[in-house]
Amino acid sequence: SQQGEEDPQALSIQEGENATMNCSYKTSINNLQWYRQNSGRGLVHLILIRSNEREKHSGRLRVTLDTSKKSSSLLITASRAADTASYFCATDRSGGSNYKLTFGKGTLLTVNP
Amino acid sequence: GAGVSQSPSNKVTEKGKDVELRCDPISGHTALYWYRQSLGQGLEFLIYFQGNSAPDKSGLPSDRFSAERTGGSVSTLTIQRTQQEDSAVYLCASSLAGGQGTDTQYFGPGTRLTVL
Repeated sequence: SQQGEEDPQALSIQEGENATMNCSYKTSINNLQWYRQNSGRGLVHLILIRSNEREKHSGRLRVTLDTSKKSSSLLITASRAADTASYFCATDRSGGSNYKLTFGKGTLLTVNP
Repeated sequence: GAGVSQSPSNKVTEKGKDVELRCDPISGHTALYWYRQSLGQGLEFLIYFQGNSAPDKSGLPSDRFSAERTGGSVSTLTIQRTQQEDSAVYLCASSLAGGQGTDTQYFGPGTRLTVL
């Protein structure tokens, strides 16, 4: 079964608006990562947040992690049409084989020009 | 430098046939991963190679699936007697060291397999 579950499943916004996507997971983790996928092909790593971190920034991306709620959010500020893609969270399980990432089903983000 | 490459990019086959999917990882990366992504689904871990260690095959869905990695570099995922439910995008990734959840995995463009 999927460790991570993203919501919403789909999000449509206008260029310039902010986009927020959420991810929930079931077990304790070491790290949580966010990936982007264009057109159903290769994934691109965006950002990693460790279990002892609460917030991390990278350019227009802001990730938060709440281990008590087993959830994370990805915020993309000032969105652009080029941000249109599917976004996945991935976790590696604490105490498990931590190379083995478990991905959620993703959020499809559409940014309209 | 070059990223992870996969071939073919698309493969259409008939039910019951065998297929081979190839992955060329980034040079110098010791860890290699195979994932499967079915329509509308997230990525499903299949197999992990790290250096000369025995691979972690725990994600392979059946004994029709096998993979090898020759010389610590190129990997081939083989699906025997393909079934329609094998239709998916098969993604390969590599990372520098492996064994750490903090080790960034770099993904190839994937092979889209369609079993008729």
